[in-house]
Amino acid sequence: NAGVTQTPKFQVLKTGQSMTLQCAQDMNHNSMYWYRQDPGMGLRLIYYSASEGTTDKGEVPNGYNVSRLNKREFSLRLESAAPSQTSVYFCASSEFVGLNQETQYFGPGTRLLVL
Amino acid sequence: DAKTTQPTSMDCAEGRAANLPCNHSTISGNEYVYWYRQIHSQGPQYIIHGLKNNETNEMASLIITEDRKSSTLILPHATLRDTAVYYCIVRVTTDSWGKLQFGAGTQVVVTP
Repeated sequence: NAGVTQTPKFQVLKTGQSMTLQCAQDMNHNSMYWYRQDPGMGLRLIYYSASEGTTDKGEVPNGYNVSRLNKREFSLRLESAAPSQTSVYFCASSEFVGLNQETQYFGPGTRLLVL
Repeated sequence: DAKTTQPTSMDCAEGRAANLPCNHSTISGNEYVYWYRQIHSQGPQYIIHGLKNNETNEMASLIITEDRKSSTLILPHATLRDTAVYYCIVRVTTDSWGKLQFGAGTQVVVTP
């Protein structure tokens, strides 16, 4: 099992450019997430998908869109990149391991620099 | 989800046990205690979780006090690869999804 994979690993964009961050998981999990982590800060949830075909906003959704392409894949799109979106982006998927108990598995991250 | 308090940092000698405390005095009866860690430049990694009984797995042990207001994560034989930020998170997942609320965590440095 590869777990959660993310592409690309690094990206440099100019202000106003667009790009899509890709995420895939091979653990047959229903739920998937996108977080961002700014230097010295904790993770903040951007969007999540509770199941295939559904997506919802997290705490910092502005400037982003997502697509749950199928059960395996969950992509994050920046339509017009801004320097404030410079960050490390983590994708995660989760499984329920018991009643009201959920564990999340994270990808290696995508490091994005917007100039 | 209940708020947690952890020390900012701690050091541990390689080969010794590392005991990481976490206070969660406002925890509700159905909330679980989760521990994750983040090694530098990597994604967070799940370690262990529990409700009220002590738990052990191949990575660590989790000791929860009887009143559930605090807990301790124990790394029994710390190695240099255990250097990371450790996050204590208290939550219950009642829907089909769950948002992890990461605080500042404890920076653990394991020294030779």
